[in-house]
Amino acid sequence: EAGVAQSPRYKIIEKRQSVAFWCNPISGHATLYWYQQILGQGPKLLIQFQNNGVVDDSQLPKDRFSAERLKGVDSTLKIQPAKLEDSAVYLCASSTGPRNTEAFFGQGTRLTVV
Amino acid sequence: GQQVMQIPQYQHVQEGEDFTTYCNSSTTLSNIQWYKQRPGGHPVFLIQLVKSGEVKKQKRLTFQFGEAKKNSSLHITATQTTDVGTYFCAAPGDSGYALNFGKGTSLLVTP
Repeated sequence: EAGVAQSPRYKIIEKRQSVAFWCNPISGHATLYWYQQILGQGPKLLIQFQNNGVVDDSQLPKDRFSAERLKGVDSTLKIQPAKLEDSAVYLCASSTGPRNTEAFFGQGTRLTVV
Repeated sequence: GQQVMQIPQYQHVQEGEDFTTYCNSSTTLSNIQWYKQRPGGHPVFLIQLVKSGEVKKQKRLTFQFGEAKKNSSLHITATQTTDVGTYFCAAPGDSGYALNFGKGTSLLVTP
């Protein structure tokens, strides 16, 4: 079974530029998560989708971050404009359902904002 | 969202020693999950606990869920160098949907 795919693996941008990350969850997984993990910290949930609807985006900085999951499969996370403090690993995860189910993580995208 | 606190933040042990990390919440949890993240890797699911007082074992790892469902622990017996990594607990948020992670306990095992 293929795992959660993310791209790119690494990205370096200058502050105020924009960037987008892509995630393809495990086939059949209805729930998709985007997490931000700053070095030395635990993953922080940015947004959670159930199919193509948002079920939690309470910690998403909506003035600069946006995410979509058109057709309920792939998802993109965008940052515009980026700030230095956005440097982190962005992890995508998926699960079969929105509650009480194991989350499978992708390898992540390491973003460096300079 | 729901906050889970983990202690200790770091633990350094000699190979063969035991290790325990604790996860605490101020509110009752419907369930709790544990993940392991190796250095440079991504979190990998270890186990989920749902019932009050539940105890589950995976080889040298023992997971417990408190009677009040507000705390949990992970105990590793006779650590090995392969146990190195950061152990996270994760629990649903107030809405019941979000999966919120603690800050993790980083375990270093020296031979």
